[in-house]
Amino acid sequence: GQQLNQSPQSMFIQEGEDVSMNCTSSSIFNTWLWYKQEPGEGPVLLIALYKAGELTSNGRLTAQFGITRKDSFLNISASIPSDVGIYFCAGQLGQGGKLIFGQGTELSVKP
Amino acid sequence: SQTIHQWPATLVQPVGSPLSLECTVEGTSNPNLYWYRQAAGRGLQLLFYSVGIGQISSEVPQNLSASRPQDRQFILSSKKLLLSDSGFYLCAWSVRIFDTEAFFGQGTRLTVV
Repeated sequence: GQQLNQSPQSMFIQEGEDVSMNCTSSSIFNTWLWYKQEPGEGPVLLIALYKAGELTSNGRLTAQFGITRKDSFLNISASIPSDVGIYFCAGQLGQGGKLIFGQGTELSVKP
Repeated sequence: SQTIHQWPATLVQPVGSPLSLECTVEGTSNPNLYWYRQAAGRGLQLLFYSVGIGQISSEVPQNLSASRPQDRQFILSSKKLLLSDSGFYLCAWSVRIFDTEAFFGQGTRLTVV
């Protein structure tokens, strides 16, 4: 089946640093999503991307839909302790298609 | 506003025992409902989804089953748990089937011992 490769698997950073994570796939996706899961909670949607090349921001978060439609990245600027959690990418092959999730990037922020 | 409730939050069960996890959604009608499993170091794997009462689609063969006895109730069950059933189980709902925005419950951490 389709797979998403998300990297890095984990990151340990200092408060104030910028963070970058990405997802790649062998398949072309029509939609890319980024979710955040805080400890003991379910994932919450952060950003949705619908067009190749699209760059979207949500506060300190910026995500881009790769031109090839096979990748996406998420950047977090000036990290703060509450950014801690697991960030998941997810791709959707077509409208109404199932979501395929990456393995997650676990982010730890040291104050 | 819509809310999703999932319980219990944690569960430790012996091998061979039955399982019942419950999920309910409030504040909406005819939601599309999903059960996902999250294994350690892995992404979310879709187990079941339902577009209506009594309608269940299974994504992967496994030791689990799902039922939807009421419009806003989704139950994940097993007759006999295996060690490999351990994991974090998430219920979710969306307005349209496989909508880009799905709303997740808080999850159930299941440990089979």
